[in-house]
Amino acid sequence: NAGVTQTPKFQVLKTGQSMTLQCAQDMNHNSMYWYRQDPGMGLRLIYYSASEGTTDKGEVPNGYNVSRLNKREFSLRLESAAPSQTSVYFCASRLQAGYTFGSGTRLTVV
Amino acid sequence: AQTVTQSQPEMSVQEAETVTLSCTYDTSESDYYLFWYKQPPSRQMILVIRQEAYKQQNATENRFSVNFQKAAKSFSLKISDSQLGDAAMYFCAYRSAMTGGGADGLTFGKGTHLIIQP
Repeated sequence: NAGVTQTPKFQVLKTGQSMTLQCAQDMNHNSMYWYRQDPGMGLRLIYYSASEGTTDKGEVPNGYNVSRLNKREFSLRLESAAPSQTSVYFCASRLQAGYTFGSGTRLTVV
Repeated sequence: AQTVTQSQPEMSVQEAETVTLSCTYDTSESDYYLFWYKQPPSRQMILVIRQEAYKQQNATENRFSVNFQKAAKSFSLKISDSQLGDAAMYFCAYRSAMTGGGADGLTFGKGTHLIIQP
């Protein structure tokens, strides 16, 4: 099925551990995004990539790094996880004004 | 920076009735897009409706319609004939028509939790 695939769907980390959230889209979209969603909040932009080989910071980039590996894949890395990074993370891709979201990753940092 | 405000944390409506969710936004731009997204408990983000700011006609999608008031910077969502499956979080979102510099990301409101009473 065409769309945005995120892995894993759930993850528990200990403070200080690192991990990479994976995202892949098969719609040939140029733009890809990482958002986080906290309770009582809408989604907030962490990083985005307008095209292969480019990445830029969004509203809340501290504590994260990203890699646009190729046109399909855009990964989000937490180098040293903190409890404040407990959240649901969404990847999205865009063609013109249409966004497609992945199903999210629920990350808990203990 | 643009901001999106949803002033109703929670709304409740009887099945088959009509409900309106409010959204206001702040921007200095003249060309932009506005969206309503539905997020059910599955947490999937589902596009409900989209409005281009340059279009004066309000967008409609079956039972869903918007009241877009550009001068007032208001973008409300009306759901007619509410159904149990409409129960979800609803998010209003803004996107600049410009690209680059983060402008093409979405700015979301905090959401409205819609409850449908049977």
